[in-house]
Amino acid sequence: LAKTTQPISMDSYEGQEVNITCSHNNIATNDYITWYQQFPSQGPRFIIQGYKTKVKNEVASLFIPADRKSSTLSLPRVSLSDTAVYYCLVAKGGGDMDTGRRALTFGSGTRLQVQP
Amino acid sequence: DSGVTQTPKHLITATGQRVTLRCSPRSGDLSVYWYQQSLDQGLQFLIQYYNGEERAKGNILERFSAQQFPDLHSELNLSSLELGDSALYFCASSAGLAGGPFFGPGTRLTVL
Repeated sequence: LAKTTQPISMDSYEGQEVNITCSHNNIATNDYITWYQQFPSQGPRFIIQGYKTKVKNEVASLFIPADRKSSTLSLPRVSLSDTAVYYCLVAKGGGDMDTGRRALTFGSGTRLQVQP
Repeated sequence: DSGVTQTPKHLITATGQRVTLRCSPRSGDLSVYWYQQSLDQGLQFLIQYYNGEERAKGNILERFSAQQFPDLHSELNLSSLELGDSALYFCASSAGLAGGPFFGPGTRLTVL
């Protein structure tokens, strides 16, 4: 399983763009990269998932370089409500025939604090 | 709302007791994952089931066990409870890994 490394914490101000990078040097060919947001006492919320290049949805963008050894979650114009812990997860993808074994191990996450 | 439901939301019990936490995955998801999160700690993977069969195991204590039933709901059984078992327990589900896994709201267990 690819081990992930993220900064422990980050600080930002409202309205700024925040980029959180996750290193996963041992990523395997069939691994996907998924990012989650977690507020205190709540379950992690799926943000975005990608395999390569760039993925974008209504809340975030995910940039994955060609070697896939890292990924960057980009949050545009953060607000106070974006203060949370962000986790990246690297794990084997699957399809209709997948019966795979997946010990989905999370790293320590990045605690993002957004100031007014 | 992720579509994953967990019951109960809160559970308070005493040391030495046994409890059962329940998880209903999203419709169609065959994989269920259980996690433990102690106060201000990270997510500790406990166990994964796929279509009724155990597929992967993390650092799950021998006092803990789980199962997934034919209707795909899952239960996590915690026995001989200790104070240190107090934590949030999350269930997540996925269909393969496409767009997930998705987490439930969790069960907060307090052992007194």
